[in-house]
Amino acid sequence: NAGVTQTPKFQVLKTGQSMTLQCAQDMNHEYMSWYRQDPGMGLRLIHYSVGAGITDQGEVPNGYNVSRSTTEDFPLRLLSAAPSQTSVYFCASSSLAGTYNEQFFGPGTRLTVL
Amino acid sequence: GENVEQHPSTLSVQEGDSAVIKCTYSDSASNYFPWYKQELGKRPQLIIDIRSNVGEKKDQRIAVTLNKTAKHFSLHITETQPEDSAVYFCAASPASGNTGKLIFGQGTTLQVKP
Repeated sequence: NAGVTQTPKFQVLKTGQSMTLQCAQDMNHEYMSWYRQDPGMGLRLIHYSVGAGITDQGEVPNGYNVSRSTTEDFPLRLLSAAPSQTSVYFCASSSLAGTYNEQFFGPGTRLTVL
Repeated sequence: GENVEQHPSTLSVQEGDSAVIKCTYSDSASNYFPWYKQELGKRPQLIIDIRSNVGEKKDQRIAVTLNKTAKHFSLHITETQPEDSAVYFCAASPASGNTGKLIFGQGTTLQVKP
């Protein structure tokens, strides 16, 4: 199993550009989520999904869109990048079977917006 | 919404000493409290978790304690080693039951000096 994969690993954008961060998992997990990590701020939840066709907002959703058309994929879209979106982005997934399961993280995408 | 506060933000100990990281949470319905370790440049990985029906859990040199009345939980690392140096995150599930969703604390950077 590849686990949770993310592409690209690094990205530099100019203000106003758009892009999509890709996330995929091969563990058949129902739950998928996106976090951003900034120094001193921890991991902040952007959007999450509990299954195909179902998404919801987390703590810091503004400026980001998501969709979940398949169980495996959960892309994060930046419609008009801003310098405040410079961060490290992590995708994570977990099973919703049973009571509380480990959340597995992808390797992260380091995004710089100039 | 759920809020998780983590202290201290940085912690420096001598090899062999103990380290304690504390977290408080706001949602009394929270039932699941995992701890993640993130080595430099790597993804966060689960090291230990505790559920609300348990007061303490140990795994070799690490232990977690939970006080539901006070709404706080702590990570204890004994006999620290240089490889324990990392950023540690606490988290809490913001609802009763396995929704997958986690809210993370701000992180603690632990430095173990040889």
